[in-house]
Amino acid sequence: NAGVTQTPKFQVLKTGQSMTLQCAQDMNHNSMYWYRQDPGMGLRLIYYSASEGTTDKGEVPNGYNVSRLNKREFSLRLESAAPSQTSVYFCASTYNYGYTFGSGTRLTVV
Amino acid sequence: TQLLEQSPQFLSIQEGENLTVYCNSSSVFSSLQWYRQEPGEGPVLLVTVVTGGEVKKLKRLTFQFGDARKDSSLHITAAQPGDTGLYLCAGSLNTDKLIFGTGTRLQVFP
Repeated sequence: NAGVTQTPKFQVLKTGQSMTLQCAQDMNHNSMYWYRQDPGMGLRLIYYSASEGTTDKGEVPNGYNVSRLNKREFSLRLESAAPSQTSVYFCASTYNYGYTFGSGTRLTVV
Repeated sequence: TQLLEQSPQFLSIQEGENLTVYCNSSSVFSSLQWYRQEPGEGPVLLVTVVTGGEVKKLKRLTFQFGDARKDSSLHITAAQPGDTGLYLCAGSLNTDKLIFGTGTRLQVFP
């Protein structure tokens, strides 16, 4: 039982490049989330999906798009990366109480 | 505006000491969770509290939810080096979405 799997673990992008962060969970959870974690600012919600086929903006959605491909997968896309998007990105899923997090993607935009 | 304030931000103590971490808000939460995060990993759920005044114990860790459900505390007795990590509180405002505090970084020296 892998839980929440995120790929890649590390990525360096040049300003203006695009990329997709992948997330998959094998716990049959309905709700999935994308957070970014920056020093001194905790975890901030980018987008979430309460169920397959639905997505909603979180606290910091600008510059990102998401796709809930099916119940298992929830991807995060950066269309034109900016240095301000340098961060650690976490995907999470939940059924009731308690989130299960992936191990994160460390993204650097130069 | 940070809805959940954690204090202290940093804590450096010797093995065997006791410590308390606080999580405060002006908002009323339907539930509150505590997570621990180690370097290079995602946060891992420690406990969920849902009732005002509730106290839960997990070995040497004691968690309390305030009577008004606006605050919480985490007390560690006889800290060990294995307790080192980033402790995050997170509250739910009657939705699946969690609001995270900024975290308390704990270092326990042998």
